[in-house]
Amino acid sequence: QKEVEQNSGPLSVPEGAIASLNCTYSDRVSQSFFWYRQYSGKSPELIMSIYSNGDKEDGRFTAQLNKASQYVSLLIRDSQPSDSATYLCAVLILTGGGNKLTFGTGTQLKVEL
Amino acid sequence: DGGITQSPKYLFRKEGQNVTLSCEQNLNHDAMYWYRQDPGQGLRLIYYSQIVNDFQKGDIAEGYSVSREKKESFPLTVTSAQKNPTAFYLCASSDGGQGYEQYFGPGTRLTVT
Repeated sequence: QKEVEQNSGPLSVPEGAIASLNCTYSDRVSQSFFWYRQYSGKSPELIMSIYSNGDKEDGRFTAQLNKASQYVSLLIRDSQPSDSATYLCAVLILTGGGNKLTFGTGTQLKVEL
Repeated sequence: DGGITQSPKYLFRKEGQNVTLSCEQNLNHDAMYWYRQDPGQGLRLIYYSQIVNDFQKGDIAEGYSVSREKKESFPLTVTSAQKNPTAFYLCASSDGGQGYEQYFGPGTRLTVT
């Protein structure tokens, strides 16, 4: 089982709709969770971080965390064509040698006019 | 402007040659990381450093070497022992805050023929 799993997509949504991106993780002791947006050919950009169960909202983005189910999601409201990108879920793993992020392979989102 | 710089943006080398990728940050972050990204495989951790003059191997360190002589700089050398060096290389840094949020540089795309 992969440590962080995401559906690769592509996920297609019409402009103005809500896009829902999902991620599951295997390490029960993980405490920090992140969503990165990556445009084609560019580096990842941090868009959301979440540390406790529940919802966290920032503008059109809402991150949701359920540690019992080992599940984290990202909702994008009023989706725009400029939201078309690959979204990477990342989970912080605490180890004796340091703290490492483990990334999922990403979900490609396409927002259609 | 605070940020992470990587140079060059594109790099071409012949097989059998070592090549060094530059990563500099002026964010005063203690931790720095190197990842490689291949299509469909997400980001994989090569090396990381939590403090000057100390670094640890990540998940795919074979064929790579690093140094951390200054807080601002974390160069990565891709040696001739790396069997598949062609990839997108990403450097990141973190201040070790609450969630160890990592911020990425623009990346270097290395092609070895």
